[in-house]
Amino acid sequence: GAGVSQSPRYKVTKRGQDVALRCDPISGHVSLYWYRQALGQGPEFLTYFNYEAQQDKSGLPNDRFSAERPEGSISTLTIQRTEQRDSAMYRCASSLTGQSTDTQYFGPGTRLTVL
Amino acid sequence: TQLLEQSPQFLSIQEGENLTVYCNSSSVFSSLQWYRQEPGEGPVLLVTVVTGGEVKKLKRLTFQFGDARKDSSLHITAAQPGDTGLYLCAGDHAGGTSYGKLTFGQGTILTVHP
Repeated sequence: GAGVSQSPRYKVTKRGQDVALRCDPISGHVSLYWYRQALGQGPEFLTYFNYEAQQDKSGLPNDRFSAERPEGSISTLTIQRTEQRDSAMYRCASSLTGQSTDTQYFGPGTRLTVL
Repeated sequence: TQLLEQSPQFLSIQEGENLTVYCNSSSVFSSLQWYRQEPGEGPVLLVTVVTGGEVKKLKRLTFQFGDARKDSSLHITAAQPGDTGLYLCAGDHAGGTSYGKLTFGQGTILTVHP
């Protein structure tokens, strides 16, 4: 079956612009996670959802970052007034139940470059 | 904040050698996972360990969870070029309000030369 998909795969934007990154999880997966990953480093947690409810947003760097999952499926991570330091790979993952031992399936990521 | 320290950060070895990657924390984790990531791809789960002292084997890979559930190791026997990649440990501090929230280590970049 289809895995986790993300779009766009690459996004280049100018400083000050808003960007919206989309994640389409595996069908039926309850939990959806957003991470940010620097090259050669481990992913850094941003936020996660169970169904449509945002359970934890403690990893969002500041109030320019927000996420939603209105119908409990597709999620959008929005960055307002982008800055150069926002440049990174943004990864989405989903898991069937969200339990601690559950497998998280990662998407291919969106490479964001802020000029 | 639960931090995971991975070591070494870089590992460059010849085919056939053995290696061990370590993952340490001052916090207790309810479970710990090991992932492997290839360039341009997302991390892929290798194994989940849950019980203190647990040992799991996956072909040439052996994973161990420390008795206190604060540390873990990944041992690869007779490494092959196909083992090259970024190895990540990730802990879940379940029991709080963030069920399933993973804290990742900084990763170990392994290169196996033919």
